[in-house]
Amino acid sequence: AQTVTQSQPEMSVQEAETVTLSCTYDTSESDYYLFWYKQPPSRQMILVIRQEAYKQQNATENRFSVNFQKAAKSFSLKISDSQLGDAAMYFCAYRWGAQKLVFGQGTRLTINP
Amino acid sequence: DTAVSQTPKYLVTQMGNDKSIKCEQNLGHDTMYWYKQDSKKFLKIMFSYNNKELIINETVPNRFSPKSPDKAHLNLHINSLELGDSAVYFCASSQRDEQYFGPGTRLTVT
Repeated sequence: AQTVTQSQPEMSVQEAETVTLSCTYDTSESDYYLFWYKQPPSRQMILVIRQEAYKQQNATENRFSVNFQKAAKSFSLKISDSQLGDAAMYFCAYRWGAQKLVFGQGTRLTINP
Repeated sequence: DTAVSQTPKYLVTQMGNDKSIKCEQNLGHDTMYWYKQDSKKFLKIMFSYNNKELIINETVPNRFSPKSPDKAHLNLHINSLELGDSAVYFCASSQRDEQYFGPGTRLTVT
């Protein structure tokens, strides 16, 4: 069974600095998708970034980028120039085949002004 | 324009009652889902429908019954509510890769 692990329950960073959230996953598949979702206090699930496993190039969306290491089954999220609005729960997720998302436990990110 | 909407957003009810949560998407997507987020924020798939057909049914008690009257709607009916059913329930839809989530329904069973 596919599993996703986020080993950091909580992280904090100073405003304007960079923070990296870790995610590892377990799968025997070779073609799949990985995602990072953000859940602010409003509880809305917001897609931050996605990565197709067949692409070697790391995905980037403005201040958000990933470090995808397929062999190590690692998918970390880097947030540059952290802003107060980045404070939220961040979930790593995996998808293969029947399209269900398998989520990690989440990391609560606090931004210190 | 709301892409995926859920009603109600908050639901407080007593043990033993039956309740429904409605979900609608106006994105034209073929696939819809129900996820449950527990008190520890853990999110897990419950059901998935593709073109009104059930394709994923995780280990969910029979008290939970999804209904898809058409491709744009996926409702969740819960019988004989228990304290452990208290959670946030998210509806989502997708066409290919990305899933779009509704705002969630916070269910509290007292």
